Formats: sequence, C-alpha cells, structure tokens
Amino acid sequence: DAGVTQSPTHLIKTRGQQVTLRCSPKSGHDTVSWYQQALGQGPQFIFQYYEEEERQRGNFPDRFSGHQFPNYSSELNVNALLLGDSALYLCASSLVWGNTEAFFGQGTRLTVV
Amino acid sequence: DAKTTQPNSMESNEEEPVHLPCNHSTISGTDYIHWYRQLPSQGPEYVIHGLTSNVNNRMASLAIAEDRKSSTLILHRATLRDAAVYYCIPNTGNQFYFGTGTSLTVIP
Repeated sequence: DAGVTQSPTHLIKTRGQQVTLRCSPKSGHDTVSWYQQALGQGPQFIFQYYEEEERQRGNFPDRFSGHQFPNYSSELNVNALLLGDSALYLCASSLVWGNTEAFFGQGTRLTVV
Repeated sequence: DAKTTQPNSMESNEEEPVHLPCNHSTISGTDYIHWYRQLPSQGPEYVIHGLTSNVNNRMASLAIAEDRKSSTLILHRATLRDAAVYYCIPNTGNQFYFGTGTSLTVIP
C-alpha cells in the first residue's frame, strides 16, 4: 500500500496565477482533508471532502477550492495566488467515521514569487 | 474546538522515558484526544488517541486525567528517530486543528 501520495512535491508559481495540487488517498479511505502549513507553524485545516462534496471548511477564503473524484482522489485549487500562500500543503485521508487514524502525505511545497 | 497548551520544546536523553504534557481544559465531552507527530520534512504521523481510559500501543502510551482536562503522551524509551514536533489535538470527527506543538529533542 503506497499510503497517501501527493503531486507534485515542489512547485513555484507567480503571484496572480492559479495552481492545482493532487492527492491520492490510502487504499480503502473515503475521506480526504487538506491542510496548509506555513513555515514554523502547525498545519491549518482548509477543508474536507467526502462523497465528492465539501463537508467541512476551515477559515480559508473562496480562492481555495477543491474537488473529489469517484475514486476518492482529490484536488486542491488555489486562484489568484498571493505571496502568503507559500506553504507546505498536506493531504490527509481517513474513513468518514470519526476518531480513526488519519494518514498524511508528504506534502506539496508551494512557493509563490 | 478545544484550546490546547503544550510546552514549546522539551529535551530527553536517548533511551530514557519522555513525558509530553498537554492541557485541554475546554475539551468537550465527546472529544477524543489525538496525538500526532511530525518529523522534519515529513507529513504528520499518527501516534495514539483515546477518550477516557489510558491507552497503549506499540509507539507510546497515553495517560488521560480523570477530569479529561489534561493528558500526557509517554514515550517509554526515546530514540533519535523520536525527535519531532508532537501535537495534542482534542477532536470529534476527522478534521484536526493543530496548535504549535512541542518540539522534542533527543540527545544521544
């Protein structure tokens, strides 16, 4: 089992551009969550997808959007990139039933210049 | 979400036990207490979680206070591989609100 895989591992974008990050969950997991981790900070919850719908959302603007596909994989889209969007973006997969172990990917390092 | 208080940093000698404390005085009755750790340049990794009773697994033990307002993660014999940031997260459901955690340094 490959666990949670994210692509790409690193990305450099220019201010104002749009970016799409991808995540494949651990086999058997149906729920995908996305987190943003700035340097020196703990991960911040962006949103969570289950059954192809956004179920929970953290305190992030509408520039952050996502999608979940029938095979449970997911995308995170960020529009109109700001310098402050530079961070490590983490994907986590789990089962929909709460209080179970979540598995995190290695993350995508996004740099906005 | 329950607010947590953890020491910013702790040190331990290799092969000695480590007790990592966490205060979560505003925890709700349905919140489980989760612990994750993050090694340098990696995503967070599950360590352990529990509701009321003390819990043990192959990685660690979790001691939960009777009033549930605090908990302690116990690493029985610290190794160099245990050097990481440890996050205590009271939570119901499977979205997590991380704080700043405790950075554990293991001294050879």
